[in-house]
Amino acid sequence: QVQLQESGPGLVKPSETLSLSCTVSGGSISTYYWTWIRQPPGKGLEWIGYIYYTGNTKYNPSLKSRVTISLDTSKNQFSLKLSSVTAADTAVYYCARRVAVRPVYAFDIWGQGTMVTVSS
Amino acid sequence: AIQMTQSPSSLSASVGDRVTITCRSSQGIKNDLGWYQQKPGKAPKLLIYAASSLQSGVPSRFSGSGSGTDFTLTISSLQPEDFATYYCLQDYDYPLTFGPGTKVDIK
Repeated sequence: QVQLQESGPGLVKPSETLSLSCTVSGGSISTYYWTWIRQPPGKGLEWIGYIYYTGNTKYNPSLKSRVTISLDTSKNQFSLKLSSVTAADTAVYYCARRVAVRPVYAFDIWGQGTMVTVSS
Repeated sequence: AIQMTQSPSSLSASVGDRVTITCRSSQGIKNDLGWYQQKPGKAPKLLIYAASSLQSGVPSRFSGSGSGTDFTLTISSLQPEDFATYYCLQDYDYPLTFGPGTKVDIK
């Protein structure tokens, strides 16, 4: 059974870069879309972007200039980097698998989420 | 970006009640809509995809309907484990966007 697990620092200073990884276990990362989604405390969900197993990426325009999502197939991991963070980037960050369930897509597997606080 | 709205934003209901949540998109999205359930401190869970298809393992009391711009999630008989927040998500165009959520709590 495929499982996802986020990891990374829980505290990041303003203006620095937030870096998170998501490890995929129980299955190969060499297929599907691998996605990052975040949720500020007490608020709704925001799609950050995805990386396809081919390396193609798609980002939310609201974050595009600051976001990089990459893939490491040797470690079965994908990663998120968000630069120049501010307090507004404080959120629970989820990784998720986006699959094709014909004829649409859906996020069928999620990590448990990791809280990242931006503060000096 | 496609804007998603949900109504109501919250509701109080009793075990056994029939509950209906509405999601509306700012433009037509065919049936590219999913419903997710989130409990406090947990990741969202996929309930419905393609507007009306039940995800494997999800109880049949959950159902979805709609196409175009108007969608509904129905819980036919609310169970104690169904008290949660429900989000719709459009996967028709980028950026993918979620509705603001509907919190279902105990009356």
